[in-house]
Amino acid sequence: RKEVEQDPGPFNVPEGATVAFNCTYSNSASQSFFWYRQDCRKEPKLLMSVYSSGNEDGRFTAQLNRASQYISLLIRDSKLSDSATYLCVVSPSSNTGKLIFGQGTTLQVKP
Amino acid sequence: DAGVIQSPRHEVTEMGQEVTLRCKPISGHNSLFWYRQTMMRGLELLIYFNNNVPIDDSGMPEDRFSAKMPNASFSTLKIQPSEPRDSAVYFCASSFYEKLFFGSGTQLSVL
Repeated sequence: RKEVEQDPGPFNVPEGATVAFNCTYSNSASQSFFWYRQDCRKEPKLLMSVYSSGNEDGRFTAQLNRASQYISLLIRDSKLSDSATYLCVVSPSSNTGKLIFGQGTTLQVKP
Repeated sequence: DAGVIQSPRHEVTEMGQEVTLRCKPISGHNSLFWYRQTMMRGLELLIYFNNNVPIDDSGMPEDRFSAKMPNASFSTLKIQPSEPRDSAVYFCASSFYEKLFFGSGTQLSVL
């Protein structure tokens, strides 16, 4: 089993739609969680951290369920510019800084 | 700040040749990571350093791969001899409190 698993998609949605991505992780001792965004032929960039209480940044909402070892990202009112690959990222330990990336979920927002 | 700087951006070489990839992390970041990205396997962590010391190299595919960090502002990833299956995008990243900042990557093609 992979340490971090995501549905690769692609998710094709119209502008204005709400879309949700899910991610599961295998190590129950994992400490920190993030979503990164990667545009085609570019480097990954941090989108947002994921906190146990859930957190929101504009149209983006991230949630963590430690009991189910599950992370989600919700995008509301999707824009053409949201088209990218979204990478779920998990830190297995708080002491090392080591981050494990999922394969990514591809989103294509259509006009 | 210029961000993480990698060179070269593109490298095309023949099987059996030595390849050296270079990275300059963001000043003040004490962790440096080398990742490899392919369509099939996604982003794989090869090795990471804390305070210039290699901490975990379990992701290095085989002895043909080696990495060094002689000081806080420079790291290299070397492949000798290179093989066609090494073709990938190699990313260097440095981190600040578990937040990774990636360089633009080196697109390596081994013919």
